[in-house]
Amino acid sequence: NAGVTQTPKFQVLKTGQSMTLQCAQDMNHEYMSWYRQDPGMGLRLIHYSVGAGITDQGEVPNGYNVSRSTTEDFPLRLLSAAPSQTSVYFCASSRGQGSNQPQHFGDGTRLSIL
Amino acid sequence: AQSVAQPEDQVNVAEGNPLTVKCTYSVSGNPYLFWYVQYPNRGLQFLLKYITGDNLVKGSYGFEAEFNKSQTSFHLKKPSALVSDSALYFCAVRDRGSGTYKYIFGTGTRLKVLA
Repeated sequence: NAGVTQTPKFQVLKTGQSMTLQCAQDMNHEYMSWYRQDPGMGLRLIHYSVGAGITDQGEVPNGYNVSRSTTEDFPLRLLSAAPSQTSVYFCASSRGQGSNQPQHFGDGTRLSIL
Repeated sequence: AQSVAQPEDQVNVAEGNPLTVKCTYSVSGNPYLFWYVQYPNRGLQFLLKYITGDNLVKGSYGFEAEFNKSQTSFHLKKPSALVSDSALYFCAVRDRGSGTYKYIFGTGTRLKVLA
């Protein structure tokens, strides 16, 4: 089992560019989420999904889009990159809404916006 | 509003001494509670969880956590710290009361175990 796989591991963008951070899981988990981790601020939820075709906003959704066309994949799109989006991005997955199971995390994408 | 607080940015402890990393929460209903550990350049790894029942929960690598409903706390403990325990620790709750079942994380506590 690969678990949660995030690509790329590192990326440098220029302000205004767009890109997609990929996330895939092979555990048939219904619940997937994207977080950003910034020093002193812990993990902040960007978007989450409770199943294919269903997404919702988290705490800091502005500037990001998501879609969930399959159970396995949950890509995060930066529409027009800004320096404030420089961060480490983590994707996570877990069993469904009522589950007491923990989230499984990928190893992150380190993104720098110049 | 739902929240998780980790009041200490950093905890220093000597190797072999007991350690405690504090966590308090504020959510509606009865939450599921979790502790995770993060090593440099890695994602978060699950340590232990509290669902219901015994207030003392045992987890990976000799860690345990004590749930206290009246104080809404879920402190992480270990009887004897190792240098290899040095890492960033996150407390999290899964909010069952609001209907969203989102996970809410604290800001993290950096544990430094001194040889």
